[in-house]
Amino acid sequence: DIQMTQSPSSLSAFVGDRVTITCRASQSIGNFLNWYQQRPGKAPNLLIYGASSLQSGVPSRFSGTGSGADFTLTISSLQPEDFATYYCQQTYSIPRTFGQGTKVEI
Amino acid sequence: DVQLVESEGGLAQPGGSLRVSCAASGFTFSSYWMHWVRQAPGQGLVWVSYLNFDGGTTTYADSVKGRFTISRDNAKSMLYLQMNNLRAEDTAVYYCARANQRSGGAFDIWGQGTMVTVSA
Repeated sequence: DIQMTQSPSSLSAFVGDRVTITCRASQSIGNFLNWYQQRPGKAPNLLIYGASSLQSGVPSRFSGTGSGADFTLTISSLQPEDFATYYCQQTYSIPRTFGQGTKVEI
Repeated sequence: DVQLVESEGGLAQPGGSLRVSCAASGFTFSSYWMHWVRQAPGQGLVWVSYLNFDGGTTTYADSVKGRFTISRDNAKSMLYLQMNNLRAEDTAVYYCARANQRSGGAFDIWGQGTMVTVSA
C-alpha cells in the first residue's frame, strides 16, 4: 500500500495569511494526487485533482503543485471559511490512501 | 442536482450486522466506480472498499476483508455496504463517494455520511 504523509499535522494562521501544506507519498504516484477540505461535521469536498487542477467551483486562492512523490497545497490568502482540515489522497493505486490530515486553525 | 444520499446508520452489537445504502441521482450511476470511506470519531479519512462499473470487481481494506461486502444495483442507482461480524473499531461515519475517471479517479461527489456505532 502507498503511504501518504502530510505536514504539518496542524497549524495556526491569521486571515489573509499564505498557508502551505505538504504531502509526501511513499513511492512515485505521478500526478494522481488530490486535495480535500473537510469542515467539522461535514463530508469532505474535493479542491484539487491531478495534483494541480482546480475543481469546478473552488476559489482560485487554492492551488496545488508537485509530481512524483512530493506535493503542496497552497492557500494564497486565508479566508474565515478556510479554517478546516485538509487531506491529500492518492488515486494511483488501490487502496486509495489518504494522508492523516492537516487542521488549519485560527 | 448531482447527489449521493445515504441511509441512516444505526447501532449494532459486536458480532452483529448492519447494511448501509447510498442513493445516487442526477448522473448516470452505472458509468462510475464507487467507493466507501469511513471516519472514526475525531480521526482521519480511511478508505474501505470500491467496486467498478458493473460490480464485477471489488476490493477491500485489510481491516474489513471477509466481513464487509460492497455491491450495487445500477437499475436502481443504489450502492450498498453489508457489514457483518462488526467490531467496536468499525464505529465511524461511513461516506459513499463517486470516483470521476476524468479527474484521475478523484472523489468528486460525497454522501452526507451515516453514523454506525458498534457497542454492547
